[in-house]
Amino acid sequence: EAGVAQSPRYKIIEKRQSVAFWCNPISGHATLYWYQQILGQGPKLLIQFQNNGVVDDSQLPKDRFSAERLKGVDSTLKIQPAKLEDSAVYLCASRGQGHIQYFGAGTRLSVL
Amino acid sequence: GQQLNQSPQSMFIQEGEDVSMNCTSSSIFNTWLWYKQDPGEGPVLLIALYKAGELTSNGRLTAQFGITRKDSFLNISASIPSDVGIYFCAGHTRGATNKLIFGTGTLLAVQP
Repeated sequence: EAGVAQSPRYKIIEKRQSVAFWCNPISGHATLYWYQQILGQGPKLLIQFQNNGVVDDSQLPKDRFSAERLKGVDSTLKIQPAKLEDSAVYLCASRGQGHIQYFGAGTRLSVL
Repeated sequence: GQQLNQSPQSMFIQEGEDVSMNCTSSSIFNTWLWYKQDPGEGPVLLIALYKAGELTSNGRLTAQFGITRKDSFLNISASIPSDVGIYFCAGHTRGATNKLIFGTGTLLAVQP
């Protein structure tokens, strides 16, 4: 079974530019998560989708971050405009019927 | 956002030694998970715990769900070089959103 796919693996941008990340979850997983992991910390939830609906976006900085999962499968996370403090690894995870979340390899973002 | 307190922050050991790390919280969780994260990769699930007092093993790994539901520990016996990485505990909050709260991580270095 294929795992969670994310792209790109790395992205370097200047502050105030925009950037987008893509995630393809494990086939059949209805729940999809985006996490932000700052160096030296554990992952922090940004947004949770159930199919194509948002379940929890309480930790998403909505003035600059947006995410969508239009067809209930793939998802994109966008930052516009980026700030220096957005430098982090952005992890996507998906979950099927059980409690276990399966993570992708992440996108490492550097904002200069 | 809330994070679990994990200790120790880092460990530097010799190959063959046993390792113990723990995670504590001021909140009650109904599920505890232990993940390992290798450099440049997403977290990979090691062990899942579902009941207070539960003791579960996975090869050389053993984890326990604390009786108070506010703590958990992970032991690794006879460490090997490939055990190197960052270990995260994660707790599931109660409720419908199935949200994972991550610990601060324990960096493990194993010297051959």
